[in-house]
Amino acid sequence: QSALTQPPSASGSPGQSVTISCTGTSSDVGGYNYVSWYQQHPGKVPKLLIYEVTKRPSGVPDRFSGSKSGNTASLTVSGLQAEDEADYYCSSYVGNNNRVFGGGTKLTVL
Amino acid sequence: EAQLVESGGGLVKPGGSLRLSCEGSGFTFSTYSMNWVRQAPGKGLEWVSSISSSSTYIYHADSVKGRFTISRDNAKNSLYLQMNSLRAEDTAVYYCARGTMGTYDYWGQGTLVTVSS
Repeated sequence: QSALTQPPSASGSPGQSVTISCTGTSSDVGGYNYVSWYQQHPGKVPKLLIYEVTKRPSGVPDRFSGSKSGNTASLTVSGLQAEDEADYYCSSYVGNNNRVFGGGTKLTVL
Repeated sequence: EAQLVESGGGLVKPGGSLRLSCEGSGFTFSTYSMNWVRQAPGKGLEWVSSISSSSTYIYHADSVKGRFTISRDNAKNSLYLQMNSLRAEDTAVYYCARGTMGTYDYWGQGTLVTVSS
C-alpha cells in the first residue's frame, strides 16, 4: 500500500489560514470516511487533530478543520499561531484491512 | 485520562528478535482496538499492526507480515509486538496507539528499536 501524498512543506504568517492536502485514491481516501489528521512537534508524540474527515476530538481548537473532496482530504488551520509550527500527517483506512499514513507536511509559521 | 506505556526496545542484531510491550491504564483496555505505529529516524509515520478488542481480528502491514506478530492480554491490560527476523529498515521508534480504522486517539511515548550489527 503506497503512502498518501502530502506536500512536504507549507507555510503561512500568523493570523493567516493554511490548507494541507492529502491525496489518495478511490481505494483509500475516496472510498472511506476514515481520514484522520495528526500534529507532531519535534521530539514529541503525534496528537490526533481530526478524525472521520471532519470531527474534532474534545480539546482541539476549532481553528483546525478537515474536509474531503473526491480522493483528496484537506486540513485547514485558521488563525495561524506560532505553536502550530509542526509536522502534520494524514491517515486513512484503506480497505483489505490496511491503514496508511501520508508522508507528512512540515508547517512553518513565518 | 488514558495512558499507554511502551517497553522492550533496544539494540538488536540483524536477524534477531525483540518483544515490545505496551501497558494501558485509565480506560477499559479490553474494549478498544489497539495498534503499533512506527517512525524511522527523521521519517514519517508508518502503520505496523492492529488488533481488535478480543483479538478476533489481527492485521499486519505488508512490510512486516510473516515477521511480526501483534497480540494482547486483556487481563494484564497489555499489548505486545513480537518482532522476528529484524532488518536494519525496522529501526524506528515504535508507538502503541489506541483506536480503530486508522484513527489513533491516544499514543504512548514510544520505544526505540535499533537494528544494527
